[in-house]
Amino acid sequence: QLQLQESGPGLVKPSETLSFTCTLSSGSVSSTTYHWGWIRQPPGKGLEWIGIISYSGNTYYNPSLKSRVTISVDASKNQFSLKLSSVTAADTAFYYCARQYSNGPYDHIDVWGKGTTVTVSS
Amino acid sequence: QSVLTQPPSVSAAPGQKVTISCSGSSSNIGNNYVSWYQQLPGTAPKLLIYENNKRPSGIPDRFSGSKSGTSATLGITGLQTGDEADYYCGTWDNSRRGYVFGTGTGVTVL
Repeated sequence: QLQLQESGPGLVKPSETLSFTCTLSSGSVSSTTYHWGWIRQPPGKGLEWIGIISYSGNTYYNPSLKSRVTISVDASKNQFSLKLSSVTAADTAFYYCARQYSNGPYDHIDVWGKGTTVTVSS
Repeated sequence: QSVLTQPPSVSAAPGQKVTISCSGSSSNIGNNYVSWYQQLPGTAPKLLIYENNKRPSGIPDRFSGSKSGTSATLGITGLQTGDEADYYCGTWDNSRRGYVFGTGTGVTVL
């Protein structure tokens, strides 16, 4: 069964760029069935969808984060990544990578990583 | 600023039933299928219901989902202490061209 594992910096300074990587335990990031994406959750708050990328490289981002977000795929390593630029304290959160089925009106997130926490502080 | 609205909390005694509502609009729930996620304390969310009313393998039939117009509902019957968690609805939003989550509902077993 597919498992996803996030890796990230833990602590980042304001105005810097956050970078995360998600590694698949099985299957392929080049799957034509699924998208790969990121969700975050600030401490004590709800879930916020960040964005997804398809096997062909098509991306969809949360409009509120779009100007600062880049999601990419590295098929040779079977990984996908998230970069979030110009971070502030408001970006402090638990970040989850996930597999999302997205096809017309059909959308659901069926596999989640355990998540990794990031604090933005000087 | 979520576009999907849920009640902050619901509660009931063990063995009872609770329902959680998720209210949206024609740009999201009204024209797309709804999923529900369970987040137990200190853990990652887990898919509970997809395509309005389907359960992934391993999810007991105590959990059910439905949709009507621009609203969706999650039902939990035979409530157990292990059901204490936060529950989120989610769906695609055509106007935002992105996925949106509900505000989340905490379930307490009295």
